[in-house]
Amino acid sequence: KAGVTQTPRYLIKTRGQQVTLSCSPISGHRSVSWYQQTPGQGLQFLFEYFSETQRNKGNFPGRFSGRQFSNSRSEMNVSTLELGDSALYLCASSSGLAGYTYEQYFGPGTRLTVT
Amino acid sequence: GNSVTQMEGPVTLSEEAFLTINCTYTATGYPSLFWYVQYPGEGLQLLLKATKADDKGSNKGFEATYRKETTSFHLEKGSVQVSDSAVYFCALSDLGNRDDKIIFGKGTRLHILP
Repeated sequence: KAGVTQTPRYLIKTRGQQVTLSCSPISGHRSVSWYQQTPGQGLQFLFEYFSETQRNKGNFPGRFSGRQFSNSRSEMNVSTLELGDSALYLCASSSGLAGYTYEQYFGPGTRLTVT
Repeated sequence: GNSVTQMEGPVTLSEEAFLTINCTYTATGYPSLFWYVQYPGEGLQLLLKATKADDKGSNKGFEATYRKETTSFHLEKGSVQVSDSAVYFCALSDLGNRDDKIIFGKGTRLHILP
């Protein structure tokens, strides 16, 4: 079974631009969660989608948004990029809601650098 | 709110040494506890989990016991290898809390010297 894939793997943007990251979950998984990983803050939860509905959201500004399509693929968008948005963005999929002990499978991440 | 605290790294050990990475948690409900591992250039992988008090999770020689009395889930391995060098994350999900997300600790980087 193919794992979680994320595209692109690396991205360089300038301040003020916007960016869209993509995540394809494991086949059959309906939950997709997004995390931001930085050396200073560690792993921070962005949001979770389940069957095209946002189930949960972390403490990030409205510039961070996401969506999930009927095939469970998910995208996250960051508008008006700031230097502090430079991070590794990780996507994880699970067969059920992540908060109910379903194992999460992580993708390799998208490394975003904002200059 | 719920939280996870794990020891700060980096932790540097020689091959075949005994490993302990401490993790304590705060939760309002009945959490499940996890250890994830992140190898260089990769995403996180579930290493082991425990879903109720006194459960012991184990995998690849690693073990962790869910201790409700001390709210701890320390990761241990009897004899580490160079290939264990990675970042380890302790995490919890709280079934008794409507806040469904998984909460991760900040991670502990482990270096094993040959």
